[in-house]
Amino acid sequence: KNEVEQSPQNLTAQEGEFITINCSYSVGISALHWLQQHPGGGIVSLFMLSSGKKKHGRLIATINIQEKHSSLHITASHPRDSAVYICAVGTLNYGGSQGNLIFGKGTKLSVKP
Amino acid sequence: DTEVTQTPKHLVMGMTNKKSLKCEQHMGHRAMYWYKQKAKKPPELMFVYSYEKLSINESVPSRFSPECPNSSLLNLHLHALQPEDSALYLCASSRTGVSYEKLFFGSGTQLSVL
Repeated sequence: KNEVEQSPQNLTAQEGEFITINCSYSVGISALHWLQQHPGGGIVSLFMLSSGKKKHGRLIATINIQEKHSSLHITASHPRDSAVYICAVGTLNYGGSQGNLIFGKGTKLSVKP
Repeated sequence: DTEVTQTPKHLVMGMTNKKSLKCEQHMGHRAMYWYKQKAKKPPELMFVYSYEKLSINESVPSRFSPECPNSSLLNLHLHALQPEDSALYLCASSRTGVSYEKLFFGSGTQLSVL
């Protein structure tokens, strides 16, 4: 079993729909990261959170430490949101180093106009 | 300036060539990383530099040689690569390197080894 599981693996939505991507993890973490990767490679860090909820524009990320679960929500989705969304958790190995991020396999989102 | 700049964006090399990938940031970050990403897979950590010292080497073959000349620059020297080394190579940085800091990624170098 992977230490970081994302669902769904693929998601197709119509423009304007509310989207939820889920991430579950089985290790103790110091922080959870949501990353966005567009075709062509570059990765953008959307959120880094260790408790509660964060909001940036149409994006909302939540985390429940007790349940070891996080969700990324996109409201009023748009075709430009089409990308791969990756959940990654930082553990306390390597003395808390960023070097021990464990990545999920990603969720490929396609938003149709 | 919140950018991590990687050059070149694309690189094609033969198995006998020597080439270098470059990464630069001017955010004052003291931790820099190299990741390798194969198609449709998550990134895999290769190296971590913390305060210009190599702190993590994830058992990467010696044909990959990292270098951190100063706190703003990170190089990855390539020599005698194999076709299976073809991948997207991503550089990233963070403020000090602890796991609860935001990561900043470059746009990557797409490497093809013939």
